[in-house]
Amino acid sequence: GPKVLQIPSHQIIDMGQMVTLNCDPVSNHLYFYWYKQILGQQMEFLVNFYNGKVMEKSKLFKDQFSVERPDGSYFTLKIQPTALEDSAVYFCASSPHRGLGNTLYFGEGSRLIVV
Amino acid sequence: GEKVEQHESTLSVREGDSAVINCTYTDTASSYFPWYKQEAGKSLHFVIDIRSNVDRKQSQRLIVLLDKKAKRFSLHITATQPEDSAIYFCAATDSAGNKLTFGIGTRVLVRP
Repeated sequence: GPKVLQIPSHQIIDMGQMVTLNCDPVSNHLYFYWYKQILGQQMEFLVNFYNGKVMEKSKLFKDQFSVERPDGSYFTLKIQPTALEDSAVYFCASSPHRGLGNTLYFGEGSRLIVV
Repeated sequence: GEKVEQHESTLSVREGDSAVINCTYTDTASSYFPWYKQEAGKSLHFVIDIRSNVDRKQSQRLIVLLDKKAKRFSLHITATQPEDSAIYFCAATDSAGNKLTFGIGTRVLVRP
């Protein structure tokens, strides 16, 4: 079936440094999402993105976070600067449309450890 | 905001028996309830959903029930098989449907 690829699968980074998580969504999908899952907790919505713009974001999407998809390449989540509480697995998802009945296709996650 | 509680953290069932996972939600505006499955080492994938205009939906061995009054929905995996072993996530979203709130996941183990 359609696949969403995430790079890197895991990364260890020093607090205060910048990190970019990359997502290669399903081709022809137009809507993109990031979710965050801290170990042992629920996966939580961060942001959704369409046509070059953030459509919605949660309170977890701090000022240090940004997303973009320049020229149809990777959909990226950048955190600058990183903090200890950013340690989590970040899941990217994409969908062909939005609204009810909209199936999200997820990547396998990028595990970020901030030390 | 919406909160989704998934009541069983783990379920162990014998092959052929049924597994039932229960979820509750808080937001009366929620109207769409998908379920996702995550097998070991793989990403989440969609398995079945239900909308608030019905109270039951079946797809092969999967049945979802929705009780809007109690704000409760459940996934029934009937005649379980080893390949049903996975983590199952319930989710809810409002009529806009763009921001899923997930449960914490239920690990289902089907024993031979």
